[in-house]
Amino acid sequence: GQNIDQPTEMTATEGAIVQINCTYQTSGFNGLFWYQQHAGEAPTFLSYNVLDGLEEKGRFSSFLSRSKGYSYLLLKELQMKDSASYLCAPKVDAGNMLTFGGGTRLMVKP
Amino acid sequence: DAMVIQNPRYQVTQFGKPVTLSCSQTLNHNVMYWYQQKSSQAPKLLFHYYDKDFNNEADTPDNFQSRRPNTSFCFLDIRSPGLGDAAMYLCATSRPQGWGPKEDTQYFGPGTRLTVL
Repeated sequence: GQNIDQPTEMTATEGAIVQINCTYQTSGFNGLFWYQQHAGEAPTFLSYNVLDGLEEKGRFSSFLSRSKGYSYLLLKELQMKDSASYLCAPKVDAGNMLTFGGGTRLMVKP
Repeated sequence: DAMVIQNPRYQVTQFGKPVTLSCSQTLNHNVMYWYQQKSSQAPKLLFHYYDKDFNNEADTPDNFQSRRPNTSFCFLDIRSPGLGDAAMYLCATSRPQGWGPKEDTQYFGPGTRLTVL
């Protein structure tokens, strides 16, 4: 079976740094996606990690440790528009299937 | 711009009245997916097509059916909607696995929000 854990909600201040953690247990693993989803909108792709380590893309970075079943998304220089849900989605071996975590709702305050 | 399009964006139907949601894509992707997302929950995969091959998730109710007449279009049919089927329905596309990490990304349409009265 699949089990994905991420915090339900987080609050941070504009301009700060926030780290959203995700732990997973999947029957097969072949990479992990992070998606951003604003309220009432579709998820949009943020990052994809398949090897251990840190992938940096502008203000957003994502880290993966396959041996620990752990990933995090790091958001720097937070902006108000970063208020959204962030979905952790491991990819299982069977095809290109994603299993989404429940998402972390991030609220950025002035 | 290449994209995934869903129509309508908002759909209202009556309890038990069949409804069809549509998805089209200009990305020329082989794989298309339908997800159901209820409020404050994760998207849940209902089924997917690899070209014309249909793959149903084990826990997808029989009330949900799908058609893919060609590469570009995919439809979600809900035969007898219940109040519990009110949700956002998301269509996504991707290339087949094996093209590489970037090509494995799923691209989502804007979703159709279904209300059942």
